[in-house]
Amino acid sequence: GAGVSQSPSNKVTEKGKDVELRCDPISGHTALYWYRQSLGQGLEFLIYFQGNSAPDKSGLPSDRFSAERTGGSVSTLTIQRTQQEDSAVYLCASSLQGATEAFFGQGTRLTVV
Amino acid sequence: SQQGEEDPQALSIQEGENATMNCSYKTSINNLQWYRQNSGRGLVHLILIRSNEREKHSGRLRVTLDTSKKSSSLLITASRAADTASYFCATKTGANNLFFGTGTRLTVIP
Repeated sequence: GAGVSQSPSNKVTEKGKDVELRCDPISGHTALYWYRQSLGQGLEFLIYFQGNSAPDKSGLPSDRFSAERTGGSVSTLTIQRTQQEDSAVYLCASSLQGATEAFFGQGTRLTVV
Repeated sequence: SQQGEEDPQALSIQEGENATMNCSYKTSINNLQWYRQNSGRGLVHLILIRSNEREKHSGRLRVTLDTSKKSSSLLITASRAADTASYFCATKTGANNLFFGTGTRLTVIP
């Protein structure tokens, strides 16, 4: 596709349920990032994938959060047993290998009720 | 934790005035980037300055970088109402990770 695609755009889930958020990066981009943004706040780093290297998971807030990237392309962020404090916009970005600009998707707005 | 912090958190100016936003960061970097965000969704890249550069221009944007002070500034000249948005600095580390600052909310009053 022409840009980074995230799905769904919006997700409302009940507390305690699991959710999966999907990110389709730009074709050929080896770096993929996940961030979380609460209302009116900055971007909180969650996880970073770079090619075949082990991902940097240092930003994941708890073991309820996990992410994978299959075939070096599509990534899925999974949140288990969701809590109300997980409500936020989850943003995905991708970039070419090396120190270049990142391209963002439009995000998934997650609301836990 | 986030790599950078921005100052001010919010800025309100009249159309035509210049807007200056500052960013401070904590560790060594490969480059520093500025992004813009409208309506709390996807960010758009504005400009990148490498660690060996001190100043860069792009249209009405001017970015400076002082690696000794671990700080950067973004100047938007002749502001327009359409410049109203949140602006974030982001630092690219040696491991190619990308960390964002806390953001400045700019409001340009017509």
